[in-house]
Amino acid sequence: EAGVAQSPRYKIIEKRQSVAFWCNPISGHATLYWYQQILGQGPKLLIQFQNNGVVDDSQLPKDRFSAERLKGVDSTLKIQPAKLEDSAVYLCASSFGTSSHNEQFFGPGTRLTVL
Amino acid sequence: QKEVEQNSGPLSVPEGAIASLNCTYSDRGSQSFFWYRQYSGKSPELIMFIYSNGDKEDGRFTAQLNKASQYVSLLIRDSQPSDSATYLCAVLDAGGTSYGKLTFGQGTILTVHP
Repeated sequence: EAGVAQSPRYKIIEKRQSVAFWCNPISGHATLYWYQQILGQGPKLLIQFQNNGVVDDSQLPKDRFSAERLKGVDSTLKIQPAKLEDSAVYLCASSFGTSSHNEQFFGPGTRLTVL
Repeated sequence: QKEVEQNSGPLSVPEGAIASLNCTYSDRGSQSFFWYRQYSGKSPELIMFIYSNGDKEDGRFTAQLNKASQYVSLLIRDSQPSDSATYLCAVLDAGGTSYGKLTFGQGTILTVHP
């Protein structure tokens, strides 16, 4: 079974530029999550999709971050414009559902550096 | 804001010893608790989950849950250098529109030295 795929693995941009990350979840997983993990901290949920609908985006900085999952499969997360404090690893995860028994599987992450 | 706090690290133990990792959570209604391991530069991977008060054992790992004290722990017996990683405690939101949302602690760095 293929895991969660993410690209790019690394990205370096200057502040005020824009950037986009892509995620392809495990086949058949209806729920997709985007997390931000700043160095030395645990992952923080940015947005959660159930199929192509948003379940939770309460911690997404909507003035600069956006995400979509148009066909209920792969997803993109965009930052525009980027700030220095956006430097982090962006993790995508997926799960079959949302019950307490559904394990979240994480992709390898995209390490973003904003200069 | 629901909070998950882990014991500050880093934690260093000798090979063969028991490593004890602790976590407290603020939401008394939380029902499901997870321990993830994250090697440096890698993504988190699930080690164990626990729902019921008491102990749950899986090989060298034992998770302990005390809902009255809002406390969950992970014990690693016979620690090996390969156990050296960051251990993340996560609590699952189980109500309202946040169903399925994990709140993570800040992580505890464990080093097992030979």
